[in-house]
Amino acid sequence: KNQVEQSPQSLIILEGKNCTLQCNYTVSPFSNLRWYKQDTGRGPVSLTIMTFSENTKSNGRYTATLDADTKQSSLHITASQLSDSASYICVVSVQTGANNLFFGTGTRLTVIP
Amino acid sequence: EAQVTQNPRYLITVTGKKLTVTCSQNMNHEYMSWYRQDPGLGLRQIYYSMNVEVTDKGDVPEGYKVSRKEKRNFPLILESPSPNQTSLYFCASRRTGVYEQYFGPGTRLTVT
Repeated sequence: KNQVEQSPQSLIILEGKNCTLQCNYTVSPFSNLRWYKQDTGRGPVSLTIMTFSENTKSNGRYTATLDADTKQSSLHITASQLSDSASYICVVSVQTGANNLFFGTGTRLTVIP
Repeated sequence: EAQVTQNPRYLITVTGKKLTVTCSQNMNHEYMSWYRQDPGLGLRQIYYSMNVEVTDKGDVPEGYKVSRKEKRNFPLILESPSPNQTSLYFCASRRTGVYEQYFGPGTRLTVT
């Protein structure tokens, strides 16, 4: 069964600290993995996309890693800011089928001053 | 500006009163989709459309209808809303073969 699991469900960190969010998936055949940031009450916005051959990709203070062998991805946030408070959703795509996106339930990150 | 718009953004209604949530995109995307988001359950797909006049059920289609008469519009229809349809709804679009979806701002629906 195609599934995407994220951990932790929620996380509270101090401003300026780093944190890492995890995404494990059983989706097959894998096409790509995307991390979205969703501010409260807003639509998700794409942060990074990673294909099978990519191990790491950065977008400013956000760095995503992918281990296609273990089917794990992580999103690392450095020097966190209050504006990083949001939910982070991992979405995995399969190569086949017309409707081929699988969503994790997200990690709720709260950055406190 | 490339965007997906939804209206209304907030709606409070009563059980059984038909309503429509509109969705429009200006990116000429073929694929459009509706999701609902509930606490602890993440985004769940209601219906999707691969192109004009082509629609199909997602994971949670019961109680919803959609239509795709024009490429840019994909309205979500609740013929007889019930309290368990209280949720945050998102419309999204993307180009066929490209996996990045663009999401609308969301519609928070409350059914009493």
